[in-house]
Amino acid sequence: EIVLTQSPGTLSLSPGERATLSCRASQSVSSSYLAWYQQKPGQAPRLLIYDASSRATGIPDRFSGSGSGTDFTLTISRLEPEDFAVYYCQQYGSSLLNFGGGTKVEIK
Amino acid sequence: EVQLVQSGAEVKKPGESLKISCKSSGYRFTSNWIGWVRQKPGKGLEWMGIIFPGDSDTRYSPSFQGQVTISVDKSISTAYLQWSSLKASDTAMYYCARQWGTFIRGLPLVYMDVWGKGTTVTVSS
Repeated sequence: EIVLTQSPGTLSLSPGERATLSCRASQSVSSSYLAWYQQKPGQAPRLLIYDASSRATGIPDRFSGSGSGTDFTLTISRLEPEDFAVYYCQQYGSSLLNFGGGTKVEIK
Repeated sequence: EVQLVQSGAEVKKPGESLKISCKSSGYRFTSNWIGWVRQKPGKGLEWMGIIFPGDSDTRYSPSFQGQVTISVDKSISTAYLQWSSLKASDTAMYYCARQWGTFIRGLPLVYMDVWGKGTTVTVSS
């Protein structure tokens, strides 16, 4: 089983700042099969990034994904008020398509 | 527009059975895997399993194997998540989501591109 560890647990930033979220896998994720999701309070998660770096339909270009192997990053170039939320990574390169524990991005 | 509409909130007692649903529209139902995700109050996302409506091929997380049953009714483009005997620890929000990706050497390599709004399940005596 591939275990995904997200860090930090909480990120306190101001609007306009850059956010860098990490997702580390316990073993290599096949072919960069990694996705990122955003979840706001009381809402279902929303797909942001798939295949480690491809933006989903309708996702603003301030969101970008990078990485390969065991280390992946979600970057939000300039935080907008609506970006404060919890972010999850998920790997789908193995038989168990598990999620990381999440990173909460909160307003400083 | 692709939509997944989930059934309404449920309040059940321990030991009772339950089947919640997820109705898909806006795409060919039999062409994409459908998955289920659990989220306990204040906690993260847990992948439960996926099903391919075309042939009902189902894959479960080991954590949920034997605890729930995932099924589909192709005739009404609906996926189901079922419990035969609920426990208090099943109290959670349950999301269904359409899967997108590829299938290589018997392995679905799929992520969740469209989500339902969720069904709240409360199990309490």
